[in-house]
Amino acid sequence: AQSVTQLDSHVSVSEGTPVLLRCNYSSSYSPSLFWYVQHPNKGLQLLLKYTSAATLVKGINGFEAEFKKSETSFHLTKPSAHMSDAAEYFCASTSGTYKYIFGTGTRLKVLA
Amino acid sequence: KAGVTQTPRYLIKTRGQQVTLSCSPISGHRSVSWYQQTPGQGLQFLFEYFSETQRNKGNFPGRFSGRQFSNSRSEMNVSTLELGDSALYLCASSWGESGRHYGYTFGSGTRLTVV
Repeated sequence: AQSVTQLDSHVSVSEGTPVLLRCNYSSSYSPSLFWYVQHPNKGLQLLLKYTSAATLVKGINGFEAEFKKSETSFHLTKPSAHMSDAAEYFCASTSGTYKYIFGTGTRLKVLA
Repeated sequence: KAGVTQTPRYLIKTRGQQVTLSCSPISGHRSVSWYQQTPGQGLQFLFEYFSETQRNKGNFPGRFSGRQFSNSRSEMNVSTLELGDSALYLCASSWGESGRHYGYTFGSGTRLTVV
């Protein structure tokens, strides 16, 4: 069965330090994987997507993620956190069907 | 260009009533999906439409229904509202048949409160 697990519900980093948000997936088929960000009272915004091309995917606002099939992971990283990065981040997967499966979200806090 | 537009933004209804939420996708997008977001359950898939056809449906009771019109605009309806239906309802649109390849563009949602 298809599933997405975000390993941390909350992550705190200091401004200017690296960000790592972890996502593992489970899928019987080759998945498409996505990261979305949600700011308060807003919808979700697509950060980046992996659809079986390059395994290192670059997205908007300096974020990137690496698809690692052997580890079934798709972790989101950013070299240097900015205050404006504080938000909730969702990993999502779709494979075989049209249905998206979202993870439970990781709330990123950026400390000044 | 205009994003995904959801109306209304906020709604307060009484238990037992019904409600209709509207979604206008980005011009040219023909795939529209709906999600329910709550603090306890997170993001849960409701349905997906492409060219007026429902392509997929989540595990929600029959009180939840939707449709898509020929101009790709979509509506979802919830009948006999329950307190547990209080949530943020998000609509998303995409190029192609689904968000699988291109990802989704989400609207800001409709915040439904059932009292």
